[in-house]
Amino acid sequence: AQSVTQLGSHVSVSEGALVLLRCNYSSSVPPYLFWYVQYPNQGLQLLLKYTSAATLVKGINGFEAEFKKSETSFHLTKPSAHMSDAAEYFCAVSDNAGNMLTFGGGTRLMVKP
Amino acid sequence: NAGVTQTPKFQVLKTGQSMTLQCAQDMNHEYMSWYRQDPGMGLRLIHYSVGAGITDQGEVPNGYNVSRSTTEDFPLRLLSAAPSQTSVYFCASSYNRLLNTEAFFGQGTRLTVV
Repeated sequence: AQSVTQLGSHVSVSEGALVLLRCNYSSSVPPYLFWYVQYPNQGLQLLLKYTSAATLVKGINGFEAEFKKSETSFHLTKPSAHMSDAAEYFCAVSDNAGNMLTFGGGTRLMVKP
Repeated sequence: NAGVTQTPKFQVLKTGQSMTLQCAQDMNHEYMSWYRQDPGMGLRLIHYSVGAGITDQGEVPNGYNVSRSTTEDFPLRLLSAAPSQTSVYFCASSYNRLLNTEAFFGQGTRLTVV
């Protein structure tokens, strides 16, 4: 069974600082990886997805993630945090048949002024 | 274009009651699914459907039933509510299976079972 681990359930950064949210996955075959963001009292929306075309994936709102097969990681970064980035972020992996997403436990990002 | 619509947004049930959470999408998506979200556990798949008339179990199906009589609708039924089913429930749809496809989520239903 696939699994996703997000290190750090809460991350706090200052406005303008680097954002790094960690995600490690377990998969025996090349995975399909996603980052979703959830703003308060809303559903999830897609930030970016790994398509195997490139190891560095750019998403919306200035976020990007790098797929590292040797480390089984797909960490999310943003060079400069903005107050509007405060939200909960979920890493997810699709099963091989594409029937389900397995989510990590989520990381709540707090941005201090 | 409404996307994925869930009703109700909030619900309080007594233990043993039954109810149906509604989910509708207007994007002609083949794939629909139900997740529950609990603190620290991310989202866990309850049931999914790859097309009208086809449903299957996810990771945590016990206590829930689904049906898919139309492409647009995918209701989730709680047969006999238990406090362990207190959670936030999300419906999601996508054009096709999730290998490389974005899932679109509804805004959620917050359910409390007392």
